[in-house]
Amino acid sequence: SYVLTQPPSVSVAPGQTARITCGGNNIGSKSVHWYQQKPGQAPVLVVYDDSDRPSGIPERFSGSNSGNTATLTISRVEAGDEADYYCQVWDSSSDHHVVFGGGTKLTVL
Amino acid sequence: EVQLVESGGGLVQPGGSLRLSCAASGFTVSSNYMSWVRQAPGKGLEWVSVIYSGGSTYYADSVKGRFTISRDNSKNTLYLQMNSLRAEDTAVYYCARDGKVDGIDYWGQGTLVTVSS
Repeated sequence: SYVLTQPPSVSVAPGQTARITCGGNNIGSKSVHWYQQKPGQAPVLVVYDDSDRPSGIPERFSGSNSGNTATLTISRVEAGDEADYYCQVWDSSSDHHVVFGGGTKLTVL
Repeated sequence: EVQLVESGGGLVQPGGSLRLSCAASGFTVSSNYMSWVRQAPGKGLEWVSVIYSGGSTYYADSVKGRFTISRDNSKNTLYLQMNSLRAEDTAVYYCARDGKVDGIDYWGQGTLVTVSS
C-alpha cells in the first residue's frame, strides 16, 4: 500500500514561514490534499489538488508537489495556525483508496 | 448549506455490533463519493471505507469483512454497519464527502465509538 511520511512536529515563531512536508513514492504524480485539525474539531481542508485553496482559506496557506515530496507552506504564521496537519492522496492503484499521512503537529512558539 | 450529522456511536462490548448513520443536507449523497474516516484517541486520521457514486465500495484492510458501508438514497443518509468490534476500533468516526481530486471538502462532527467490556 502507498505510504505518506510526515515529520511528527514542526515549530515556528509567529510571523515566520512554516513548511510541512509529505513524502511518498512519486507523489508528484498524484493530487495531494492538506487538512488542518484543531483539538476536538473535525479536520478542515486547507489545500486541495496540490496547490488550490478552498474558499475562505487565507492566501497564507499554499502548497506544492514535485518528485517525491509535497509541501504545505504557511506564511506569516499566527498563533491560530497551531494545529495538526495531515496530507492525503487517492491511491486507486490499490484497495487503499484514501491514504493519509501520519500528521504533523505545528507549534507556534 | 452543506451539513453532515453523524449518530449511532456509543459504548459496545468486544464482538458486538453498531450502526453509524450520517444524515446529509445541502447535497445528494448518491451523486458523490462518501467516505468514513476514523481517529483513535490521540492518533492520526485513518481511512475506513468509501462508497462511489456508482455504488462500488472499498474498505481498509483493518475493517474488511467486518464493516459495511451503504446509503439510503431516499433518506440522503450514509451508513456504516460495524460487526465483530474490537478494542482497536475505538475511535471518533467521521463521515465525509470526498471530492477525490478536490479533496474531502465536508466532514461531519464525528461520533465516538468505544469498544470495551
